[in-house]
Amino acid sequence: NAGVTQTPKFRVLKTGQSMTLLCAQDMNHEYMYWYRQDPGMGLRLIHYSVGEGTTAKGEVPDGYNVSRLKKQNFLLGLESAAPSQTSVYFCASSYPGLPRGEQFFGPGTRLTVL
Amino acid sequence: AQRVTQPEKLLSVFKGAPVELKCNYSYSGSPELFWYVQYSRQRLQLLLRHISRESIKGFTADLNKGETSFHLKKPFAQEEDSAMYYCALTGSTGGFKTIFGAGTRLFVKA
Repeated sequence: NAGVTQTPKFRVLKTGQSMTLLCAQDMNHEYMYWYRQDPGMGLRLIHYSVGEGTTAKGEVPDGYNVSRLKKQNFLLGLESAAPSQTSVYFCASSYPGLPRGEQFFGPGTRLTVL
Repeated sequence: AQRVTQPEKLLSVFKGAPVELKCNYSYSGSPELFWYVQYSRQRLQLLLRHISRESIKGFTADLNKGETSFHLKKPFAQEEDSAMYYCALTGSTGGFKTIFGAGTRLFVKA
């Protein structure tokens, strides 16, 4: 099992460009999450999904969109990147029956917006 | 406001010394607390959860509701314990929001 994978690992964008981050999990987990981590701060929840075809806003959703067309994939989109979105992005997954705070994390994507 | 505070950004101890990583929280309901660890070049992974009252890799953590703390302790630190440690909190009512602290980097010196 690869667990949770994220594509790409690194990316540099110019202000105004768009991109999509892909998260994939092969554990058949229902729940998937996108977080961002900024220097000196904890992970903050951007969006999450409790199942295929459903998404919900987290703590810091502005400037991002998500889609969960397949159970194993959770996409995070930036329509018009801004320097404030420079961050490390983590995807995570979990399943019903686990405590909510118990999640399986991907390796992260380091995004720089110039 | 819901908050997790890890007051130390960096904690440096000698091998064999006791270590305590502090975590304080603010939460109006009944929380569930967790410790995550991230070793160098590895992904974030769960270390332990307060509801299990377990010891993992020699680490323990006790939830103190009176002091709203969940400090992580190990009596004898090892060099391989060097990592980033994050304290995290969720509510027990089933919501999906997990609050993470900013993390403490533990450096165990030989």
